[in-house]
Amino acid sequence: DAEITQSPRHKITETGRQVTLACHQTWNHNNMFWYRQDLGHGLRLIHYSYGVQDTNKGEVSDGYSVSRSNTEDLPLTLESAASSQTSVYFCASSEASGRGATQYFGPGTRLTVL
Amino acid sequence: QKEVEQNSGPLSVPEGAIASLNCTYSDRGSQSFFWYRQYSGKSPELIMSIYSNGDKEDGRFTAQLNKASQYVSLLIRDSQPSDSATYLCAVSPNTGGFKTIFGAGTRLFVKA
Repeated sequence: DAEITQSPRHKITETGRQVTLACHQTWNHNNMFWYRQDLGHGLRLIHYSYGVQDTNKGEVSDGYSVSRSNTEDLPLTLESAASSQTSVYFCASSEASGRGATQYFGPGTRLTVL
Repeated sequence: QKEVEQNSGPLSVPEGAIASLNCTYSDRGSQSFFWYRQYSGKSPELIMSIYSNGDKEDGRFTAQLNKASQYVSLLIRDSQPSDSATYLCAVSPNTGGFKTIFGAGTRLFVKA
């Protein structure tokens, strides 16, 4: 069965360190998204990609970067982790259809920055 | 004004009752609307999508859309304790592409 996985599931790091969160999907979806979820804010879009070599900034992209070298993977990098980036991070993918398409979410990564 | 607004709740209903969840959105040109359910500690999963004005029913769930009022709702009939979760309203704005804007979610508790 097709799926979307994230690793690690839990991560504790220190302020200033570089951290990369992995996202891998076997749906063969062109669209991939990274969100963070914090209490009271719901899901906020960090970065998204509509295909290989395509990346775009979302509403909360400062301090984060992504790269898309193949269809399956969209790693999220925190260049210099800050305590404000403590959050739960979700990766999602969707088909490239005419209407807004169902997004399939990974299990999430809980990141703590000390 | 937030792009997608929901009452954060919690909304508490007795088992067997109808739970009504509401959502408003700001982009009048939005075309696609979704309801996701998220259990505590889990990831969101789609339960309903709706694209046209009116009602759409799927089992115990009914989504209602009123584009003129920029309002979308979710009704859960015969609510069960297993329906206790956070319900996220999501809207695809009329800006092209495939982005989805999520509301902050409404927490629902169904009391046995």
